[in-house]
Amino acid sequence: ILNVEQSPQSLHVQEGDSTNFTCSFPSSNFYALHWYRWETAKSPEALFVMTLNGDEKKKGRISATLNTKEGYSYLYIKGSQPEDSATYLCAFITGAGSYQLTFGKGTKLSVIP
Amino acid sequence: KAGVTQTPRYLIKTRGQQVTLSCSPISGHRSVSWYQQTPGQGLQFLFEYFSETQRNKGNFPGRFSGRQFSNSRSEMNVSTLELGDSALYLCASSYGPGRANGYTFGSGTRLTVV
Repeated sequence: ILNVEQSPQSLHVQEGDSTNFTCSFPSSNFYALHWYRWETAKSPEALFVMTLNGDEKKKGRISATLNTKEGYSYLYIKGSQPEDSATYLCAFITGAGSYQLTFGKGTKLSVIP
Repeated sequence: KAGVTQTPRYLIKTRGQQVTLSCSPISGHRSVSWYQQTPGQGLQFLFEYFSETQRNKGNFPGRFSGRQFSNSRSEMNVSTLELGDSALYLCASSYGPGRANGYTFGSGTRLTVV
């Protein structure tokens, strides 16, 4: 059974603060890692698909890094805004041919105006 | 372009009944996967279909089944409903094989079993 861990479980930050979360996954047989943002009453929205060790992706104020050798990925949000409040999920895919996303339980971010 | 459409949005069923949920993927997407979310749990993988074939199945009892049609639309069926089946069911579609392919999720079906 694959284990994908996310920390912290929840986070409260002030508007304007920068923050980061961690996703840990098995370091063997890596295929891809996905990050999603899930706002209340909406559907999960894809942020990044990361496939190569050392990958760095950026989308506006949000960026992510990937270390497949040690099995972790970081998500950074620079200058948090209230609209960034959401649950951030990472999902791991192992081995070619297995298109099953194994999700972590997410980090719930609340940005206080 | 139209997103992933799931119907119905909400459903209330009685224990012992069966239910069928529907998912229409984004046009051109051939892979559809299903996930269950219950309170306190992360998204749990149910199964994944590509070109009408089930490629992966999660650790769920045989009461949970699915299928995919030639137009890539997918249905999920749960028979002999139990109270613990109350959950949000999400489907996601993708182009299919390919490391860079992300998934697009639907808004989900909220199933309540009473």
